[in-house]
Amino acid sequence: EVQLVESGGGLVQPGGSLRLSCAASGFTFSSYSMNWVRQAPGKGLEWVSYISTSRGTTYCADSVKGRFTISRDNAKNSLYLQMNSLRAEDTAIYYCARDEGTKEDKIYYYYMDVWGKGTTVTVSS
Amino acid sequence: DIQMTQSPSSLSASVGDRVTITCRASQSISRYLNWYQQKPGKAPKLLIYAASSLQSGVPSRFSGSGSGADFTLTISSLQSEDFATYYCQQSYSAPRTFGQGTKVEI
Repeated sequence: EVQLVESGGGLVQPGGSLRLSCAASGFTFSSYSMNWVRQAPGKGLEWVSYISTSRGTTYCADSVKGRFTISRDNAKNSLYLQMNSLRAEDTAIYYCARDEGTKEDKIYYYYMDVWGKGTTVTVSS
Repeated sequence: DIQMTQSPSSLSASVGDRVTITCRASQSISRYLNWYQQKPGKAPKLLIYAASSLQSGVPSRFSGSGSGADFTLTISSLQSEDFATYYCQQSYSAPRTFGQGTKVEI
C-alpha cells in the first residue's frame, strides 16, 4: 500500500525549532519529488515547500523562506522539514504529499496524488 | 506569484443537484490546474489533474474543464459523500498556490 506518515509535530514556543519527518512506503521514494503543504486552523491549504528527486531543486513559500528547510534521505525513504524561528502563524497541520507527473502532448503536468494524514504543529507560549 | 480565486466561497445544494465551482488564475497557466476534495479532519484527496483528467478511482460524476486562466469543476449529480471543501491549485510555477476553497454544504 502506498503510504506517507508524518511525525514530529508538537507544541513549541515562539522562536523555537521543530523537525518534521515523513516516512514513505509502498513506492520507490527516490523516483518522486515531494511537497509539504500546511493548513492553519479553520483555514485553507497553503503550499509550503518542494524538493526534487535528487535534492537538486528546492522551493519554499515566501512565508517560510529563510526559516524552513526541506530535505530528504532517499536511503531512508524519508522527507524532512526543518522549521526554525517559529511564529504563531506557523501553527497548522502539516501534510507531506507526493508529486506525480503525467505527460500529455509532450507536456508534463504535475499534481499531488498521495497525501499523509498530517502532523500538528502548535506555536504558542 | 500566481493568485488563484475560487467562486463561490460556499454553496448550499441538495443531493442530485448539478454543482459548478469556478477557479480563476491571475495569469494564464495553460492546463496546469488540479482540483482536490477535503472532508473535515481528513487529508486532501486529488480529484482532477491537468484541468480535465480524472484521477483513478474518482467517480465519473466529477469533471473538470478549462484552460488558460479560467477553470471549472462540475459535479453532475451531487451525492451525500460529496459534501466537502474543494480546492483548485496551480502547478504552472512555484509557489504552487491554492485557491481559498469552496465549501459545499447541504
